[in-house]
Amino acid sequence: DGGITQSPKYLFRKEGQNVTLSCEQNLNHDAMYWYRQDPGQGLRLIYYSQIVNDFQKGDIAEGYSVSREKKESFPLTVTSAQKNPTAFYLCASSIAGGPDSGELFFGEGSRLTVL
Amino acid sequence: SQQGEEDPQALSIQEGENATMNCSYKTSINNLQWYRQNSGRGLVHLILIRSNEREKHSGRLRVTLDTSKKSSSLLITASRAADTASYFCATAPNTGRRALTFGSGTRLQVQP
Repeated sequence: DGGITQSPKYLFRKEGQNVTLSCEQNLNHDAMYWYRQDPGQGLRLIYYSQIVNDFQKGDIAEGYSVSREKKESFPLTVTSAQKNPTAFYLCASSIAGGPDSGELFFGEGSRLTVL
Repeated sequence: SQQGEEDPQALSIQEGENATMNCSYKTSINNLQWYRQNSGRGLVHLILIRSNEREKHSGRLRVTLDTSKKSSSLLITASRAADTASYFCATAPNTGRRALTFGSGTRLQVQP
């Protein structure tokens, strides 16, 4: 089945540790995105990538890093510099980005808790 | 920044009633989309309306767009308990960032 797979679903981290969230898609989409969602809130854009080997910062990129070495993969690293990393992280993809963006396809999310 | 702000934040209705959610945004857009999220899950796309469209239907969903007021509404007719979820609007800007900006969402509870 085509779709987006995020892993792990739940992750616990000690303060000061870096963690990497995986996002893989087999939809052959060019664009991929990372959003953060806090309880009862909307989604805030962390990073996005329109094409392999290129990515742009979103509204809340500080304390996060990404890579896009393969079309189907867009991992997100939450670094120790992120002051309040406990949140629900959502990865999404679309056929292409830009003003004429079509629908986003979302993964099931990764819930990160800092102990 | 939150481009879209939804109203109301929460809505509780009985099965069979209609549910209306509103979304306001700030900048010029290419299109506006509505998504649904069940608790603890990813978002699912519902409907997309382009800036040159005023109304669109999909099953029990009706979306309107007023670009002069920078607002949109989502109407769910004959609601069902299974419609219980959070609903978000998202805007695709005409220029600048090539990614959707999401609103704060409306939590809909449909009582059986």
